[in-house]
Amino acid sequence: DAGVTQSPTHLIKTRGQQVTLRCSPKSGHDTVSWYQQALGQGPQFIFQYYEEEERQRGNFPDRFSGHQFPNYSSELNVNALLLGDSALYLCASSFEPGLLYYEQYFGPGTRLTVT
Amino acid sequence: QKEVEQNSGPLSVPEGAIASLNCTYSDRGSQSFFWYRQYSGKSPELIMFIYSNGDKEDGRFTAQLNKASQYVSLLIRDSQPSDSATYLCAVSDTGGFKTIFGAGTRLFVKA
Repeated sequence: DAGVTQSPTHLIKTRGQQVTLRCSPKSGHDTVSWYQQALGQGPQFIFQYYEEEERQRGNFPDRFSGHQFPNYSSELNVNALLLGDSALYLCASSFEPGLLYYEQYFGPGTRLTVT
Repeated sequence: QKEVEQNSGPLSVPEGAIASLNCTYSDRGSQSFFWYRQYSGKSPELIMFIYSNGDKEDGRFTAQLNKASQYVSLLIRDSQPSDSATYLCAVSDTGGFKTIFGAGTRLFVKA
C-alpha cells in the first residue's frame, strides 16, 4: 500500500520565481492538506482540498494557491517567492467519510530553499 | 487566534523510564487530537489519536484527553533511545478541517 508521495524532494529557487510542488495521497484517501514547516516550528496549515475544491485556508497570502485533480493528487503553487518561504512543505492525506473524525498521514516533504 | 501550546523542552529521561509530554489547546470546539513523532530531517509520523475523554493505550504509548481542562498528554513507557525525537501535538479546529500543531517537545532518551 503506497503511502503519501511528494515531489521533488529538494528545490532551490531565487526570490521572485514561482514554484510548483506535487503530492499523491495515500491509496484510498481523497483529501489533501498542505502545511509549511519552518525550522524549529510545528507545521502551519496552508489549505485543504476535497472534491477538487479548496475547503479551508490558513493564514497564508494569495501567493499560495493549489489544485486537486480528479485522481485526488494535488499541487501547491507559490508565486513571487520570498526568502521567508524557505521551509519544509508537507502534504498530508486523509479519508473523508463525512464524519468529524479523521487521521492525516504525511508525505516525506519537499525542502524549498529560496536564495 | 486558536493555539496549541507545548513545552519545547528538551525533556531528558533515562532509558526505561516513563516520558510524559503535555499539550494544552484553546479551541473548546476541538474534537480530534493527535500526537505525531518527528525525527530530525523527516516528516511527522502519526503515533496516536484520541477523540474521547480518558485514556487510550497502544503498546508503550498512552494518550490522555481532558476536554474540560483542554489538556492532552502522551505517556511513553519503557522509553528507548530510538524514541528520541520531537513530539508534535495536533488539534482539529471546531470545523474539523483544519489541524493546528504545537511547536513540539524535543525528547532525549539517554542510554
